[in-house]
Amino acid sequence: GENVEQHPSTLSVQEGDSAVIKCTYSDSASNYFPWYKQELGKRPQLIIDIRSNVGEKKDQRIAVTLNKTAKHFSLHITETQPEDSAVYFCAAEYSSASKIIFGSGTRLSIRP
Amino acid sequence: GAGVSQSPRYKVAKRGQDVALRCDPISGHVSLFWYQQALGQGPEFLTYFQNEAQLDKSGLPSDRFFAERPEGSVSTLKIQRTQQEDSAVYLCASSLATATNEKLFFGSGTQLSVL
Repeated sequence: GENVEQHPSTLSVQEGDSAVIKCTYSDSASNYFPWYKQELGKRPQLIIDIRSNVGEKKDQRIAVTLNKTAKHFSLHITETQPEDSAVYFCAAEYSSASKIIFGSGTRLSIRP
Repeated sequence: GAGVSQSPRYKVAKRGQDVALRCDPISGHVSLFWYQQALGQGPEFLTYFQNEAQLDKSGLPSDRFFAERPEGSVSTLKIQRTQQEDSAVYLCASSLATATNEKLFFGSGTQLSVL
């Protein structure tokens, strides 16, 4: 069925270190994989996305990698800062069903 | 408007009461999604509209849930005979594209508490 698994559920890193969040998906036909950031009490906001025609995409301190063969994708945040503390959700598009399925989220905490 | 607007922001309902949640998407956005987000969980898909057509309602948990978007803009999610397990944040999101592979703009959500 349609499923996106995300781990870890919580992650604590020292300020300045890197953070990695991993997701797997079940539909081999999925072609679009966005990442959303949700700060406490706020709405989710897109931070980066990747399509299946590329294996990696970077935007300043944020990068996403995609392995279509293994059906997994990852978010990498380098040089973490206090404002990176939030819940991060991965998602995958299921075009055959006109929906975007979200993972269960990773609560990232940056230790000063 | 500046973004996706949802109302009410908070709703407290007695068990068995009917509720209606409103979503006003960004003007011109074709696609509209409803999600249910339980505390500490990711958004769970409920339903998807492309203009006024409801293309996917497979995520609606029961026949107590009903969504509409009659003129292809504002959408309403109605929950009949609310139950305690319906307590959650209901998020609406819209997208400019007709496809589901574009950026979603989320509203602030409606936090529903069923007592």
